[in-house]
Amino acid sequence: DAGVIQSPRHEVTEMGQEVTLRCKPISGHNSLFWYRQTMMRGLELLIYFNNNVPIDDSGMPEDRFSAKMPNASFSTLKIQPSEPRDSAVYFCASSPHVGQGWHTFGSGTRLTVV
Amino acid sequence: DAKTTQPTSMDCAEGRAANLPCNHSTISGNEYVYWYRQIHSQGPQYIIHGLKNNETNEMASLIITEDRKSSTLILPHATLRDTAVYYCIVNPNAGKSTFGDGTTLTVKP
Repeated sequence: DAGVIQSPRHEVTEMGQEVTLRCKPISGHNSLFWYRQTMMRGLELLIYFNNNVPIDDSGMPEDRFSAKMPNASFSTLKIQPSEPRDSAVYFCASSPHVGQGWHTFGSGTRLTVV
Repeated sequence: DAKTTQPTSMDCAEGRAANLPCNHSTISGNEYVYWYRQIHSQGPQYIIHGLKNNETNEMASLIITEDRKSSTLILPHATLRDTAVYYCIVNPNAGKSTFGDGTTLTVKP
């Protein structure tokens, strides 16, 4: 099992550009989570999906952020337009099913917006 | 979700047991206690979880008090590679975890 796969590992972009982060959950896992980690705010849950359906997006900071899960094996987190304050490490995690509380995390995408 | 309180930092000598406490006094009956750790620059790693019974796996032991208001994660023989931030999380069975600030454990030679 390759685990949760995120791409890219590092992304540097200019303010105003669109950024797309990608995640492939563990095969067979039905729940997928997007987190953001910064020194100031720690690890924050942005949104999570169950069976490809967004369940709770209350952590999404603003309309510039959007997430999709078109199928069970792929999810994206998009920021458009990006701003310097979006600089953070973004983690994707998956878990087997609702009620299975432990997550397997990916290695994260370090985003720098200049 | 019940909130948790953990010490900001702890030190432990290599080879000794590391005991990391967590208070969760507002925990409700159906909420599990989960522990994760995050080694620098990596994603958090699941360690162990429990409801009311003590649990043990190859990584650690989890001791939950009878009233379930606190728990302790025990790393029986800490190594330098156990240096990390340890998170204690309480959540219902909805699958969503809210991470706090955790405890930074430093294992020293």
